[in-house]
Amino acid sequence: DTEVTQTPKHLVMGMTNKKSLKCEQHMGHRAMYWYKQKAKKPPELMFVYSYEKLSINESVPSRFSPECPNSSLLNLHLHALQPEDSALYLCASSQGLVGISYEQYFGPGTRLTVT
Amino acid sequence: GESVGLHLPTLSVQEGDNSIINCAYSNSASDYFIWYKQESGKGPQFIIDIRSNMDKRQGQRVTVLLNKTVKHLSLQIAATQPGDSAVYFCAEKSITSGTYKYIFGTGTRLKVLA
Repeated sequence: DTEVTQTPKHLVMGMTNKKSLKCEQHMGHRAMYWYKQKAKKPPELMFVYSYEKLSINESVPSRFSPECPNSSLLNLHLHALQPEDSALYLCASSQGLVGISYEQYFGPGTRLTVT
Repeated sequence: GESVGLHLPTLSVQEGDNSIINCAYSNSASDYFIWYKQESGKGPQFIIDIRSNMDKRQGQRVTVLLNKTVKHLSLQIAATQPGDSAVYFCAEKSITSGTYKYIFGTGTRLKVLA
């Protein structure tokens, strides 16, 4: 099973709203990723959690706040977003163990529209 | 034929023909690569991977070739089918702060013509 699940599938929010995106995997992976993808562009890395600790933040604005409650779950809290933040938000996971497997699997994404 | 669009190169092939999608990577020290297929409105789907100690790896109807000398990766799809229509991305593994991440290529749209 290589399934990563994400909820919700679609989200429309106003610029003053607070919302959260959720991601879950049950593959025993210890690295989890958030990506942002605009139309006709490759996924752009935002954050990496390794063993439940934030290890990479690609200079993402503070209106995006990641959280990793446990090894299976990853959240992305959204607050005071801008219309240009509208995109497909993808979660991914990988084993996180050097030298064993580097395969990375993606969830279906959350389509976010900021109005 | 192959054409470069505003943001996304497009490869058009006849159904049943073989497709070759190319990717150039940046870091000569990269030791692991993945090819992804992304259909419209979906997340990227893992197709095949290759480590730098290999030149070639075969899957079901797909073959990945790695040329480390010129930092080039290719994905070959045999007997292309309409269901192969999608955007294909290559990704190279990179290590930062003791954690690995993946750097994506710009992608190629594959259109299969009936």
